[in-house]
Amino acid sequence: AQKVTQAQTEISVVEKEDVTLDCVYETRDTTYYLFWYKQPPSGELVFLIRRNSFDEQNEISGRYSWNFQKSTSSFNFTITASQVVDSAVYFCALNENTGGFKTIFGAGTRLFVKA
Amino acid sequence: EAQVTQNPRYLITVTGKKLTVTCSQNMNHEYMSWYRQDPGLGLRQIYYSMNVEVTDKGDVPEGYKVSRKEKRNFPLILESPSPNQTSLYFCASSLGTTTNSPLHFGNGTRLTVT
Repeated sequence: AQKVTQAQTEISVVEKEDVTLDCVYETRDTTYYLFWYKQPPSGELVFLIRRNSFDEQNEISGRYSWNFQKSTSSFNFTITASQVVDSAVYFCALNENTGGFKTIFGAGTRLFVKA
Repeated sequence: EAQVTQNPRYLITVTGKKLTVTCSQNMNHEYMSWYRQDPGLGLRQIYYSMNVEVTDKGDVPEGYKVSRKEKRNFPLILESPSPNQTSLYFCASSLGTTTNSPLHFGNGTRLTVT
């Protein structure tokens, strides 16, 4: 069955440290999409990145980078030189082509960045 | 401004008293969905709609109803709320009905059922 696992419940780092948030997924589909969303303390959910199952290139956007590895079914998210504003809950999610449109979310990782 | 609007933001009610949480989007999105967020469980899908008059169950539909009479609106109805429906609810929409579309979320509704 499809599943997204974010094994890290909470991570605490000091500002300027690098931090990696892990995401492992399970799916039977060959075509699927993976996403990361951010939920800051204010509560809204914000889309960060999308990656399709045929594109294993890593992506970098400023201090954010994503490492997609199909061989290990992982889609990890790294924040370089973390800042206090990065403090949030981060969700990894999987969209499957099931004939409907289902998004499966992981349980989320709460990141605390201390000044 | 493109947005998904949910109302109310906070709601406290009693067991059994019917309530509706409204959701409206102004982006002409075809797909809309409801999620509940509970600690340690992430977001779980309640219902979704691929288009007007087309709705389907998500992973946790029990105790909820939805309707999609207009493209922009997708209300969530709790006919007889119970305390286990106390949660943070999010409405979301996306441009297409294919799996590559990211979700745009409302600001959430925190529901407490006593």
